[in-house]
Amino acid sequence: EVQLVESGGGLVNPGGSLRLSCAASGFTFSDARMSWVRQIPGKGLEWVGLIKTKTDGETTQYAAPVKGRFTIARDDSKDTLYLQMNSLRTEDTALYYCTTGSRYHSYWFDPWGQGTLVTVSS
Amino acid sequence: EIVLTQSPATLSLSPGERATLSCRASQSVSSSLAWYQQKPGQAPRLLIYDASNRATGIPARFSGSGSGADFTLTISSLEPEDFAVYYCQHRYNWPLTFGGGTKVEIK
Repeated sequence: EVQLVESGGGLVNPGGSLRLSCAASGFTFSDARMSWVRQIPGKGLEWVGLIKTKTDGETTQYAAPVKGRFTIARDDSKDTLYLQMNSLRTEDTALYYCTTGSRYHSYWFDPWGQGTLVTVSS
Repeated sequence: EIVLTQSPATLSLSPGERATLSCRASQSVSSSLAWYQQKPGQAPRLLIYDASNRATGIPARFSGSGSGADFTLTISSLEPEDFAVYYCQHRYNWPLTFGGGTKVEIK
């Protein structure tokens, strides 16, 4: 069974940093393109960014609001995805989901983790 | 950036009724569109990919149609477990984006 378990969320001051982790199991992590998607509580979904596989050069793509502040990385030896968030703003407050490409295409997301909550507030 | 506009924002229907949800893209995305269902307290679940293909395990009452810039998700006869929020998403280019969602609520 595919499992994605996020961790690392919490309360951080504006301007601070936080690193989220996503532990993957049940599939060949090194072959998977991985994404982060966030959701402000009670609001819609926002794609944050994606990292391709080592074979694809671990190329990353980001949404405009986080580009230059957030960095996605992966450690295939640990089957773990990371999201390094710097220069955090109050508008980054959200539930952050880790997700992987589905069996149909890398950019259709399925399954998803349960999310980790990040709160940016002073 | 491709903007996906979903309508209506809320759909109030009774079990057994037909639900028709719309997703309109700001430019053509060909057939590169998916639909997700999200229930309260849960992560989203992939329902439809490539505009009209049901994901594994998704009941036949869910169907997707459309291409270019106009797409529709239809639930032929609402079951109690179908009351949820539905999102569309494209993969046509970067950045990937989601629509704002349609909430299907019990009337």
